[in-house]
Amino acid sequence: RKEVEQDPGPFNVPEGATVAFNCTYSNSASQSFFWYRQDCRKEPKLLMSVYSSGNEDGRFTAQLNRASQYISLLIRDSKLSDSATYLCVVNPGQFYFGSGTKLNVKP
Amino acid sequence: DAGVTQSPTHLIKTRGQQVTLRCSPISGHKSVSWYQQVLGQGPQFIFQYYEKEERGRGNFPDRFSARQFPNYSSELNVNALLLGDSALYLCASSLAYEQYFGPGTRLTVT
Repeated sequence: RKEVEQDPGPFNVPEGATVAFNCTYSNSASQSFFWYRQDCRKEPKLLMSVYSSGNEDGRFTAQLNRASQYISLLIRDSKLSDSATYLCVVNPGQFYFGSGTKLNVKP
Repeated sequence: DAGVTQSPTHLIKTRGQQVTLRCSPISGHKSVSWYQQVLGQGPQFIFQYYEKEERGRGNFPDRFSARQFPNYSSELNVNALLLGDSALYLCASSLAYEQYFGPGTRLTVT
């Protein structure tokens, strides 16, 4: 069983739409959680850490559900520049990355 | 402030050769981690070093080795290259839990 699983997508949405991604993890000992975005042929860039109480950064909201072992990312008012692959990361002692969810925001 | 730097940016090697990749962390960061990313997959953890000590190792063969220097820079060595080693090799530095990635070295093995 994979440590981290994500829907690969792609999610094709119009500008201004709200889109949500989920990510499930298998190790209940995981202590820290993150979302990264990765543009084509570039390095992953930290989007946000995910805290137990949930957290928001502008148009982005991250949630953690420890009981069901998943984290989510909500993007409101999607912009063309949000088009990228979103990687879920779980750390039960070392970083485990999901394979990513591809988002295409269309005009 | 400079981010994580890696060299070289691209590399082409032949099967059986050896390669050394280099990474300089963000100033003040003492931990460096190495990842391998193949097309269509997320980065896969290879090593983590903190204060020159190996703190973690992923599921990679002994052909992969690394070290960290007193200035916290790091090298990743891969011996006896295989075609399957072709990938983007990423270095990340961290101060606490959050990791920041360099641009990577794209290795092609022919």
